[in-house]
This record gives sequence, structure tokens and C-alpha cells, in this order.
Amino acid sequence: DGGITQSPKYLFRKEGQNVTLSCEQNLNHDAMYWYRQDPGQGLRLIYYSQIVNDFQKGDIAEGYSVSREKKESFPLTVTSAQKNPTAFYLCASNQQGPYGYTFGSGTRLTVV
Amino acid sequence: AQSVTQLDSHVSVSEGTPVLLRCNYSSSYSPSLFWYVQHPNKGLQLLLKYTSAATLVKGINGFEAEFKKSETSFHLTKPSAHMSDAAEYFCVVKSPGAAGNKLTFGGGTRVLVKP
Repeated sequence: DGGITQSPKYLFRKEGQNVTLSCEQNLNHDAMYWYRQDPGQGLRLIYYSQIVNDFQKGDIAEGYSVSREKKESFPLTVTSAQKNPTAFYLCASNQQGPYGYTFGSGTRLTVV
Repeated sequence: AQSVTQLDSHVSVSEGTPVLLRCNYSSSYSPSLFWYVQHPNKGLQLLLKYTSAATLVKGINGFEAEFKKSETSFHLTKPSAHMSDAAEYFCVVKSPGAAGNKLTFGGGTRVLVKP
């Protein structure tokens, strides 16, 4: 079955470390997105990519970086510059047109 | 520009009673509208979508929503709540040609179902 796979499901990071969250899709979708979700704050867009080798900042890109070297993959790196990285991270993808997103199951990142 | 307002941050219902989740949107063009459900520590699952066909849209798990252009609303309903409906629900809008093909999310409505 087609879908989006996020890994790991849970991730613990020490302060000052960079960590990378994986997102892989086999839906042949062109666009991919990373959202951050905090309690009571809904979903906030971090980065998005419409095509391979191209990506744009979302609303809260500071302290994050991404790459899009392959259509199927859109990894997110949470850098040490992100001051409050503890959150639930969701990856999504879609096609052009009146389509919604397909979401991954999320990664919960905790700073220890 | 597009925006979404979910009018209730929390809704509490008794099992077996109707559920109503209210959503108003703003869009410069004829939008596509979606409702997603999220159970704790899970990704978001699509419940239903409106894409300019029938204004009454039926989704999964007995949910339906009605698109009312004159009221710019897309309220979600279910005739009889089940315990498994306890979750957070997001109303989402997408305008044609939206920058980055992005969707805009409402703030979410958390549903509590009492036995």
C-alpha cells in the first residue's frame, strides 16, 4: 500500500545535538511538507518542497533544515539552533490540484 | 489569502448524541475543504473532502459535512457519537493556486465523548 513512513516514532535528543527525522513516501507525490504540532497550537509549517532539489521556508523555519535530493524523501534536521525542539513532527505530501495531504504517523521529539 | 476558523476549541458530547463541529473559512476563490481527525500520538486521517461537487459530503465513520457558500461554512456532523470519536478534528482549506500547493489548517477542535 502507498503511504508515508516517518521514523523514528520517538526520538530523544540532548541539548546541543542535531537530529534528523526521516520521511519517505511511495505515493509519487511531488510536494512534501513538514509540520510541527504543539499542544493547543495546531499545526505550524516548517518547510515544504514542491519538486526535487527545491524547498521553501514555512512559518517557523528557524533552527531547522531540510533537503530534497529524491522525490521520495524529505528529511528534516533539527539543529542546535532550535531553542525549543520538543514537539510532535508530522510529514505530509500531496499532488497539485484539489487534493488534501497524506500524513505520516509522526515523530515525537523530546529534548533531555 | 485563505484562512480557517474553528469556532470551538473543545466539544463535549454524550455517547449516542449528535456531534457538531463548526468551521468557517475565507478564500479568494472556490476552495477545496477537508476535515481531518487525529487520535493521540497519531498522524492525521482524512475524514472527508469537498471539491466543488455535491455540497453535502459524506465521509468515513458516519461523518458528513455541508458546504454553505453563502455562510462560508463547512460544519462537520455525526448523528450519534461513539466513544472512538474522541479525538482532535481539523478543518482545512485549500485555494486553487495556493502558494506551494499548501493547505491552511484551523486550530483544531478536541472532542470528548462521555459514556
